[in-house]
Amino acid sequence: AQSVTQPDARVTVSEGASLQLRCKYSYSATPYLFWYVQYPRQGLQLLLKYYSGDPVVQGVNGFEAEFSKSNSSFHLRKASVHWSDSAVYFCAVSMGPGYQNFYFGKGTSLTVIP
Amino acid sequence: EAAVTQSPRNKVTVTGGNVTLSCRQTNSHNYMYWYRQDTGHGLRLIHYSYGAGNLQIGDVPDGYKATRTTQEDFFLLLELASPSQTSLYFCASAPGAAEQFFGPGTRLTVL
Repeated sequence: AQSVTQPDARVTVSEGASLQLRCKYSYSATPYLFWYVQYPRQGLQLLLKYYSGDPVVQGVNGFEAEFSKSNSSFHLRKASVHWSDSAVYFCAVSMGPGYQNFYFGKGTSLTVIP
Repeated sequence: EAAVTQSPRNKVTVTGGNVTLSCRQTNSHNYMYWYRQDTGHGLRLIHYSYGAGNLQIGDVPDGYKATRTTQEDFFLLLELASPSQTSLYFCASAPGAAEQFFGPGTRLTVL
């Protein structure tokens, strides 16, 4: 079975600091990769997605992620976080065309200290 | 306007009760999904559907039924609710293997 691992359940950073949230997946081929964000009392919103091509993809609100085939990873980054970035971030994987199921990591709760 | 809506947003029932959670999407997507979200588990797929009348079993289907009555509407049924089904439930829609669009969630408490 496919799996998605987010090794950090909680991350705390100061406002203005840089951020990296880690995501690793288990799948032999190149999957479709996603990062979602969940703000308090809301549903999940897409931050960015990777299907193919340039391994660095840009998302909303200054987020970017880098796909590494050799490491089976898709880490999320932001150069300078804002207190409003405090939320839960989920990495998700789809096995690609013809496969409709997503596999989600357990999420990383980010707290940004003003 | 919101493309995936869920109702009710909050529901409290008792053990053994009968609960129906509703989801409607206006994205014209073929695929719809029901997930539950629990601390320490992330999102887990209960059931999904690729069109009216179709139902596929997800990863945690026990105790749940679902029905897709139209392309827009997908229902999750708990016929004998148990406390272990206390959770936050999300519905999502998708055109295929691409990104999923989520509703705002329904918080269910089974006493």
